[in-house]
Amino acid sequence: NAGVTQTPKFQVLKTGQSMTLQCAQDMNHEYMSWYRQDPGMGLRLIHYSVGAGITDQGEVPNGYNVSRSTTEDFPLRLLSAAPSQTSVYFCASSYSWNNSPLHFGNGTRLTVT
Amino acid sequence: ELKVEQNPLFLSMQEGKNYTIYCNYSTTSDRLYWYRQDPGKSLESLFVLLSNGAVKQEGRLMASLDTKARLSTLHITAAVHDLSATYFCAVDTGNNRKLIWGLGTSLAVNP
Repeated sequence: NAGVTQTPKFQVLKTGQSMTLQCAQDMNHEYMSWYRQDPGMGLRLIHYSVGAGITDQGEVPNGYNVSRSTTEDFPLRLLSAAPSQTSVYFCASSYSWNNSPLHFGNGTRLTVT
Repeated sequence: ELKVEQNPLFLSMQEGKNYTIYCNYSTTSDRLYWYRQDPGKSLESLFVLLSNGAVKQEGRLMASLDTKARLSTLHITAAVHDLSATYFCAVDTGNNRKLIWGLGTSLAVNP
């Protein structure tokens, strides 16, 4: 199984540009989420979804949009990139919200100049 | 607001020694997770602790949960270099579908 697949692995954007980070899982997981990881700040939840058609905000949702049209895919859209969005982004999924550990993708390193 | 505090944040230890990493949290929870992250890599689940008194062991690592003390420990026995990584604890508040993460403990095991 591929598990959780994120693309791209690296991306450089200019301020104001938009882009979509892709995330797909092949484990039929209900729960999917996006985190950003910044030095000294740990992991912070951006958005999450408990099933197709259902999304909700995490701790730091501003500047990001998500959708969940299928169980497998959970793309993260940056609407107008800002330098403050320079970070490593992880997509993670789990079989159910409670009792199940998260399976993480390999991450996307985003730099906004 | 739920806070999760790990200590120490940085730990350098010799191979063969034992040590404990602590994860304290500030509100009621009976679900706690431990993850490992190697430098430049993704996160990998180590342990899922789902009740007071839960203890899980895998190789040289053992995790426990004391919900009354709001404390989880990750004990390392006879450390080896391969255990060098950053270890995170994450707490489920139970009120919503969100985990709150500690800042991580960066562990270096030296020969």
